[in-house]
Amino acid sequence: DIQMTQSPSSLSASVGDRVTITCRASQGISNYLAWYQQKPGKVPKLLIYAASTLQSGVPSRFSGSGSGTDFTLTISSLQPEDVATYYCQKYNSALGTFGQGTKVEIK
Amino acid sequence: EVQLVESGGGLVQPGRSLRLSCAASGFTFDDYAMHWVRQAPGKGLEWVSGISWNSGSIGYADSVKGRFTISRDNAKNSLYLQMNSLRAEDTALYYCAKDRDPGPRFSWFDPWGQGTLVTVSS
Repeated sequence: DIQMTQSPSSLSASVGDRVTITCRASQGISNYLAWYQQKPGKVPKLLIYAASTLQSGVPSRFSGSGSGTDFTLTISSLQPEDVATYYCQKYNSALGTFGQGTKVEIK
Repeated sequence: EVQLVESGGGLVQPGRSLRLSCAASGFTFDDYAMHWVRQAPGKGLEWVSGISWNSGSIGYADSVKGRFTISRDNAKNSLYLQMNSLRAEDTALYYCAKDRDPGPRFSWFDPWGQGTLVTVSS
């Protein structure tokens, strides 16, 4: 099975900072990668699919990139409402696999 | 508006069984694959199981294979998860989620239900 590894597991940044989260697949997955945001006490929400396509309604400060085994989620200017845990997910198979999550906090 | 409402959670003893349900509305249920995803207290997301639109493709996480059974009733717009031989480590909030595609290959999940809590304890 393909494993998904996120880094870092947590980070603290200031409002306005550029934040980057990495997700690495143990085998190539083309661009079959999604990113989710889960705010504290809330349901996970789809942010990005196909590695770089922004879901409708998601602020443009979020962006995704990558292909193959290495992917990144970038928040161009961190806002207080972005405090959340972010998960990557690989798809296009009969199994679904999430990364372990990256918790983003405000410094 | 798409709505997914889970039910059936509760407190159950180790070794016992429980059946979760997810009632779907606001979309053509039999056009999409569906999934169960769980989250143990304070932990990350774990995909549990997925089922294609016609039940022709089904997948399970290794942690539940042989103990859990996913099914769907397209006539009732409902998804189910039969959980047998429950263990303490199955304690989690169980989410129902809609796939973007019908299957057999699964895609991304959107939206998710609010979840139903399963607690396995004596």
